[in-house]
Amino acid sequence: SQQGEEDPQALSIQEGENATMNCSYKTSINNLQWYRQNSGRGLVHLILIRSNEREKHSGRLRVTLDTSKKSSSLLITASRAADTASYFCATAAPNTDKLIFGTGTRLQVFP
Amino acid sequence: DTEVTQTPKHLVMGMTNKKSLKCEQHMGHRAMYWYKQKAKKPPELMFVYSYEKLSINESVPSRFSPECPNSSLLNLHLHALQPEDSALYLCASSQVRGTEAFFGQGTRLTVV
Repeated sequence: SQQGEEDPQALSIQEGENATMNCSYKTSINNLQWYRQNSGRGLVHLILIRSNEREKHSGRLRVTLDTSKKSSSLLITASRAADTASYFCATAAPNTDKLIFGTGTRLQVFP
Repeated sequence: DTEVTQTPKHLVMGMTNKKSLKCEQHMGHRAMYWYKQKAKKPPELMFVYSYEKLSINESVPSRFSPECPNSSLLNLHLHALQPEDSALYLCASSQVRGTEAFFGQGTRLTVV
């Protein structure tokens, strides 16, 4: 399977704490993307990091990419109850139309 | 308009029925995707259309038949489904392959 693995599978934290989730993938990539999904709804794109980038920021989000280890991490700082959702990484490989999702992390933020 | 619209939102069908799921976007995106998602699992890629041509079929059973009538529309025709096909079916589009994908809210399909 080309699917990436994410850990942890589930994460529970208090509001104000930081949340870190990790993604490992198997093939070479053009870019890696992170998405968020609220229960039973569509996915929302959060951030895209290209294979030649090492770190990217967007608001409270920080993404890192290590292509030598085929891994990425998503950090959400100062979490809020509204951040409660599932988070997925997705990889876009060179010369293919595929966008493949990792296994996901379910984040619960308690008020 | 940054929306991907999927209809219907919910669908219950018998194993002998024929039904279709519809997806529409008006962002001028040239890549469109169908994903299947079971509860507490990641979306699984089914089909990709690039410039209105089917470019990826992830070994999906023939009871699922995709169609791209034009650059804004994507259909998924369903026939003789099994109860294990019950899932959330998600449509997505992106400007070109490998770029930010926009997702619809999905069709919750139940096969009885």
